[in-house]
Amino acid sequence: AQSVSQHNHHVILSEAASLELGCNYSYGGTVNLFWYVQYPGQHLQLLLKYFSGDPLVKGIKGFEAEFIKSKFSFNLRKPSVQWSDTAEYFCAVNVLNYGNNRLAFGKGNQVVVIP
Amino acid sequence: KAGVTQTPRYLIKTRGQQVTLSCSPISGHRSVSWYQQTPGQGLQFLFEYFSETQRNKGNFPGRFSGRQFSNSRSEMNVSTLELGDSALYLCASSLEGRGSNTEAFFGQGTRLTVV
Repeated sequence: AQSVSQHNHHVILSEAASLELGCNYSYGGTVNLFWYVQYPGQHLQLLLKYFSGDPLVKGIKGFEAEFIKSKFSFNLRKPSVQWSDTAEYFCAVNVLNYGNNRLAFGKGNQVVVIP
Repeated sequence: KAGVTQTPRYLIKTRGQQVTLSCSPISGHRSVSWYQQTPGQGLQFLFEYFSETQRNKGNFPGRFSGRQFSNSRSEMNVSTLELGDSALYLCASSLEGRGSNTEAFFGQGTRLTVV
């Protein structure tokens, strides 16, 4: 079945540690890829996006993600996290073959950064 | 520029009732999508509207419906509410979607509780 997979749903780490969140999707064809973040009590906000071109994309707040087409992956990274990065992170895929705006989301990663 | 506005923010309804949720997209955005967010199922696509037409529908029963007005504002309706409909309902707007590279901007959501 077509899906978006995020592993390690709960991640706990200390400030200044590095963070990497995996995202794999099973859709074929052309895709747009996104990482969204949901801080406690706030709405979903876009961290970064990949449409085409350089597979290494940089987003807000020091986050970056790498699109590896052969692995159907779009992993999120941050070299040094801060307490304020505590949030839930969602990977999302927009399958352009479907011809419309329809995001498929992963189940999310709940990240807790300990001061 | 104002963001995506959803009203009301919170709702408590009784089983069997119906409910209407409202979404005002970002000015100039013509595509409005709706998502249901629950702890168990995560974020799931409900439907998408563009120029007052439903372009795509997710895998939800017919009790879930929506519409879009000429000013791009959208409403979704859930009839004969069930306990399992308790969720955060998110609205997202984007410029337009068919085949184009766009990103979705999310509202704060409406928290629906069915008792």
